[in-house]
Amino acid sequence: QVHLQESGPGLVKPSETLSLTCTVSGGSMTSHFWSWIRQPPGMGPEWIGFISHTGNTGYNPSLKSRVSISRDTPKNEFSLKLTSVTAADTAVYYCARDRYGSGSSSPWGQGMLVTVSS
Amino acid sequence: DTVMTQSPDSLAVSLGERATIDCKASRSILYSPNNKSYLAWYQQKPGQPPKLLISWASARESGVPDRFSGSGSGTDFTLTITSLQAEDVAVYYCQQYYNTRTFGQGTKVEIK
Repeated sequence: QVHLQESGPGLVKPSETLSLTCTVSGGSMTSHFWSWIRQPPGMGPEWIGFISHTGNTGYNPSLKSRVSISRDTPKNEFSLKLTSVTAADTAVYYCARDRYGSGSSSPWGQGMLVTVSS
Repeated sequence: DTVMTQSPDSLAVSLGERATIDCKASRSILYSPNNKSYLAWYQQKPGQPPKLLISWASARESGVPDRFSGSGSGTDFTLTITSLQAEDVAVYYCQQYYNTRTFGQGTKVEIK
C-alpha cells in the first residue's frame, strides 16, 4: 500500500523560498501523477501542481510564476519549491498520488504545517 | 478558473437520516467524447487529510460504504449520504479536474 510523507522546514521567513519533499513508500513513482495540494487554516484545499511519471509538470495558474515541482525517481521522492512567500502562503501542505487517468487524488500524506513569519 | 460552489455551508442531520450536499461548477465539467464529468468528492475529518470518496461524479472508491453516492452531470452535482452515521461527521469537498483543479469551499456535516 502506497504511503506518502512530507518533510521540510515548518517555518519560513517572508520573501524566502519554501522547500518541501514528499517521500513515497510501498510503491514506485514510475507510474501515476504526483501532486502537491495546500490548505490554509480553516479553508478548503488548493491544488498547487503535479509532476508526472515521465517528468511533465502542470501548475495552478495563480501560483505558476512562483512554483516548481521536481522528482528524484530512484529515491522515490518529489519536491516542491515556492518562491517569494508571504503570510498568505501559510498552510498545511500535502503531497498526494493522483488516481490513474484521473485528476482526483488518493492517497494523501498526513500533511505538514508551514508557517510564513519573521 | 472553474469556480466550485457548495451548498449549504453546513448542515445538521439526525442519525439515520439523509444528508444531501450540492456542488455547482461555474462552467460545464462534462467531457463529451467520453461522457464523463470530471468531479470528485472528498471527506475530511479533523486533523486528517482529505479522503477520496468518489471520482467521475459517481464512481465510489473501493472500501467506501454504499451509503455514500454521487450524482449529477455538467455543472450540477450532489453527494448523498443515506442513513447518516456518527462517523460521517466531517467536512465534505467537491473538486473538479476538467480545467486544472479547483475545490469547493466545503460543507460541514454534523449530528442534529
